[in-house]
Amino acid sequence: NAGVTQTPKFRVLKTGQSMTLLCAQDMNHEYMYWYRQDPGMGLRLIHYSVGEGTTAKGEVPDGYNVSRLKKQNFLLGLESAAPSQTSVYFCASSDLNEQFFGPGTRLTVL
Amino acid sequence: GENVEQHPSTLSVQEGDSAVIKCTYSDSASNYFPWYKQELGKRPQLIIDIRSNVGEKKDQRIAVTLNKTAKHFSLHITETQPEDSAVYFCAAISEGSARQLTFGSGTQLTVLP
Repeated sequence: NAGVTQTPKFRVLKTGQSMTLLCAQDMNHEYMYWYRQDPGMGLRLIHYSVGEGTTAKGEVPDGYNVSRLKKQNFLLGLESAAPSQTSVYFCASSDLNEQFFGPGTRLTVL
Repeated sequence: GENVEQHPSTLSVQEGDSAVIKCTYSDSASNYFPWYKQELGKRPQLIIDIRSNVGEKKDQRIAVTLNKTAKHFSLHITETQPEDSAVYFCAAISEGSARQLTFGSGTQLTVLP
């Protein structure tokens, strides 16, 4: 039982490049979330999903897209990376209340 | 939407003393209030939570209190130890919000030996 996993752990991009972050959970949770964490700003919700095939915008969705084709996976895409997207990205999944977080992806955009 | 404010942003205490972190929320429909601990370079992990039908909850050295009327909740850590040093986040979930957590901005707790 791995819980919530994220790949990759680290990534460096140049401005304008694209990439996809993968989140996987093996707890059969319906809800999945993507957050970004910046110094002094806590965790801010980017997008979330309430079930397979559904996605919705969170607090800071601009510049990101998501997909939930399978219940266990939630993908976060950056189509054209910008330096402002340098951050640590956390994925989480939940049943009713407690959210379980992945280990995070540290992304740097040069 | 929900807004959660957290104070203080930094807190230093001597080992063995108590630490208190306070949060306020704006949405009276919020009904679940978790606290997460995040060590440097690690993921946030749930340490305690409270639901809106309960005023206080304890788990060994950690306790959380909730005042629904005033819309604030607090984390209390007694007999602090150096391993309690971390960033602590409060959060709130609103009813019908797809279980979205709104986080406070975090408190860096340092326990001095």
